Amino acid sequence: AQSVAQPEDQVNVAEGNPLTVKCTYSVSGNPYLFWYVQYPNRGLQFLLKYITGDNLVKGSYGFEAEFNKSQTSFHLKKPSALVSDSALYFCAVRDESGGYNKLIFGAGTRLAVHP
Amino acid sequence: EAQVTQNPRYLITVTGKKLTVTCSQNMNHEYMSWYRQDPGLGLRQIYYSMNVEVTDKGDVPEGYKVSRKEKRNFPLILESPSPNQTSLYFCASSTGNEQFFGPGTRLTVL
Repeated sequence: AQSVAQPEDQVNVAEGNPLTVKCTYSVSGNPYLFWYVQYPNRGLQFLLKYITGDNLVKGSYGFEAEFNKSQTSFHLKKPSALVSDSALYFCAVRDESGGYNKLIFGAGTRLAVHP
Repeated sequence: EAQVTQNPRYLITVTGKKLTVTCSQNMNHEYMSWYRQDPGLGLRQIYYSMNVEVTDKGDVPEGYKVSRKEKRNFPLILESPSPNQTSLYFCASSTGNEQFFGPGTRLTVL
């Protein structure tokens, strides 16, 4: 069965430091991977996706993610964190059986960036 | 502006009182979904629709109904809400590779 794991409930980082939010996945075929961000009282906003091509994917707000097939990971990264990056982050994989209309989400990781 | 809208944004109701949460998108997307978000569980798909009059169950469909009579609208119906349906609900529409989410509806069933 396909699944996504986000091993950290919360990540704390100081402003200006690099951040990493971890995600691992399990799929039987080629993965289509996504990162979404949820700010307080807001819906989910798309950050970036990996479908094929370069393993390093660049997205919105200075975020990037590195696809690693051997480690089945898709970690979200940013070189220099901002306080405004504090939010709930979700990793997701496209469900191969349900077609591209369905995403399987991880439990979410809360990112707290401290001044 | 391209968007997915949901109404109401907040709803408090009582067990057994039928309710409908509306969802509308203006992007002419064929694919629409409903998810519920619960702490520690992420988002789980309730129902999805691949086109008008075509709907199917997601992972947690029990207690919910949907309809897709028009391409732009995809209402979520709770015929007899129960407290375990207290959650944050998101509607989404999709191009195929990316899903666009509505702002969410926070439902409390007493």
